[in-house]
Amino acid sequence: NAGVMQNPRHLVRRRGQEARLRCSPMKGHSHVYWYRQLPEEGLKFMVYLQKENIIDESGMPKERFSAEFPKEGPSILRIQQVVRGDSAAYFCASSPQQGVSYGYTFGSGTRLTVV
Amino acid sequence: TQLLEQSPQFLSIQEGENLTVYCNSSSVFSSLQWYRQEPGEGPVLLVTVVTGGEVKKLKRLTFQFGDARKDSSLHITAAQPGDTGLYLCAGEAGAQKLVFGQGTRLTINP
Repeated sequence: NAGVMQNPRHLVRRRGQEARLRCSPMKGHSHVYWYRQLPEEGLKFMVYLQKENIIDESGMPKERFSAEFPKEGPSILRIQQVVRGDSAAYFCASSPQQGVSYGYTFGSGTRLTVV
Repeated sequence: TQLLEQSPQFLSIQEGENLTVYCNSSSVFSSLQWYRQEPGEGPVLLVTVVTGGEVKKLKRLTFQFGDARKDSSLHITAAQPGDTGLYLCAGEAGAQKLVFGQGTRLTINP
């Protein structure tokens, strides 16, 4: 009865490297959402995906960030050429159907530190 | 842009006291959720309120959605150290995403 699984829990990258964050949704959930949380702030929406489709990426920075949710395997949030300002906690949530009223389940997050 | 403002941002009280946390916006939300987040973990959903004026109770926690669906409050009765955490309100902004407040960091001292 696993919940939303995110890995790694902690990730340290040097400036200019790539960061890959993985999210496996709950069993039976086909909707995945990524949020970013800066220190002492609330969460900010980044992207909403269904299997093989990006539905809403209005919260994604235009450059260096990309997300995918392939037919097989976890959803991936990729950050290229990381900068110090990318340091944050990145949370993934899943739901069984579209719509927040169906209930989000969040993972424990990946804490990215850029040095 | 829909924004949610939470107040206070920090609150430290003694065990046994009552407290209220507020979540306000100038925008109307079709639903509003409250989450609690522990250090190093993701947010955990406490409640969803949908109808203006709705009141929901979860043990010692009482949640209210404003009549105009622009604001909400969380009231905790007889706070306990186990209530310590970051409380986040979040409004439904379209069918697929939430707008979060900045959070209220609550500390209950024994």
